[in-house]
Amino acid sequence: SQQGEEDPQALSIQEGENATMNCSYKTSINNLQWYRQNSGRGLVHLILIRSNEREKHSGRLRVTLDTSKKSSSLLITASRAADTASYFCATQSLYGNNRLAFGKGNQVVVIP
Amino acid sequence: NAGVTQTPKFRVLKTGQSMTLLCAQDMNHEYMYWYRQDPGMGLRLIHYSVGEGTTAKGEVPDGYNVSRLKKQNFLLGLESAAPSQTSVYFCASSQPQPQRSEKLFFGSGTQLSVL
Repeated sequence: SQQGEEDPQALSIQEGENATMNCSYKTSINNLQWYRQNSGRGLVHLILIRSNEREKHSGRLRVTLDTSKKSSSLLITASRAADTASYFCATQSLYGNNRLAFGKGNQVVVIP
Repeated sequence: NAGVTQTPKFRVLKTGQSMTLLCAQDMNHEYMYWYRQDPGMGLRLIHYSVGEGTTAKGEVPDGYNVSRLKKQNFLLGLESAAPSQTSVYFCASSQPQPQRSEKLFFGSGTQLSVL
């Protein structure tokens, strides 16, 4: 099954700065999703972008998708300490069982 | 609404012991999933169900069994636990959406250690 691969693995930024994470995948997708995981908790869905979309916004989040490069980026603007978490991308393939395949995650630490 | 509830939250087993992890959701979702999360590996799908009475294998099903006798419950069983099954287990649920764009709702996880 395909898996998203986030880059970089860990990011440490000051509060108020922007944080950008990237995700690459290998096969054709139906959609790509981003999830957040706070320490010791389950994952929480943030945003979904379909394969025919190029950019999507939700509050301070901006997601881009480039299907020609098989990559996506998640931008968190004006970061807050509460944004400290791990962020995962997940892809839903066009083929096979269509179940979500998760990447390894990006750890983001926002320093107050 | 509680969402997705997993029990227990922590468990320590000895090699060869068996146990069942319970997942319950109150959102009337059709689909349910079991994932395991290991350091540096992300989440890997163990088994899933697309409706009551149905189950299917995911990416890493060996050593696990599942049952979905009721729509709201999804059980994950370890018949003979092995140290390689030490992990954090997450249950999730989702509802079918147009264009297959369902998003997952996760429980808070079960930390399992097999000694």
